[in-house]
Amino acid sequence: LAKTTQPISMDSYEGQEVNITCSHNNIATNDYITWYQQFPSQGPRFIIQGYKTKVTNEVASLFIPADRKSSTLSLPRVSLSDTAVYYCLVGDIGVTGFQKLVFGTGTRLLVSP
Amino acid sequence: DTEVTQTPKHLVMGMTNKKSLKCEQHMGHRAMYWYKQKAKKPPELMFVYSYEKLSINESVPSRFSPECPNSSLLNLHLHALQPEDSALYLCASRKGDGIGGATNEKLFFGSGTQLSVL
Repeated sequence: LAKTTQPISMDSYEGQEVNITCSHNNIATNDYITWYQQFPSQGPRFIIQGYKTKVTNEVASLFIPADRKSSTLSLPRVSLSDTAVYYCLVGDIGVTGFQKLVFGTGTRLLVSP
Repeated sequence: DTEVTQTPKHLVMGMTNKKSLKCEQHMGHRAMYWYKQKAKKPPELMFVYSYEKLSINESVPSRFSPECPNSSLLNLHLHALQPEDSALYLCASRKGDGIGGATNEKLFFGSGTQLSVL
């Protein structure tokens, strides 16, 4: 079972702010929350990562409440080129003790003119 | 150099063929991953190598055979594949060894090999 739950899809218009929420109720104490973006026929690309509170970089912000059971990726003023699938990942330790980094279902964002 | 390079970009093979996918990184990363991705689905973990040793095999059929000849190179050998194995095969690497601990190291992905099995 995936450790994260996200909306399957979201629609937006150019110039709007988009917030994508991820639920990770069983996040471990030492897990970070990482978001990736994927375009068709390409590998996922790192967007942002955080452990708690708020993280901001040049492309997005990540909000993490105190209980860390969810997180929200915020994309300010989206453009058509932000149309992609967004994945939220948390750690998943396999039986061998190695990190598996399993993807959840992802959120398909469609930005329209 | 912050790239993961995968070759070939596209591959068409018959069910009796033997082929190999190649992945290279020169970032000094210690863990390397193979993922399989079907259309409109998330990447699905296949194998994890840490320090050139196979650390995780997600019950992948033996017709997929991974190999890590050195710390920069990861291969996936394919033999007697089925049409349902057609997918995008993604390679990724990360700096740490992937053993337990905090998960604060990002994955670097290649662009993938689009495989079609006829």
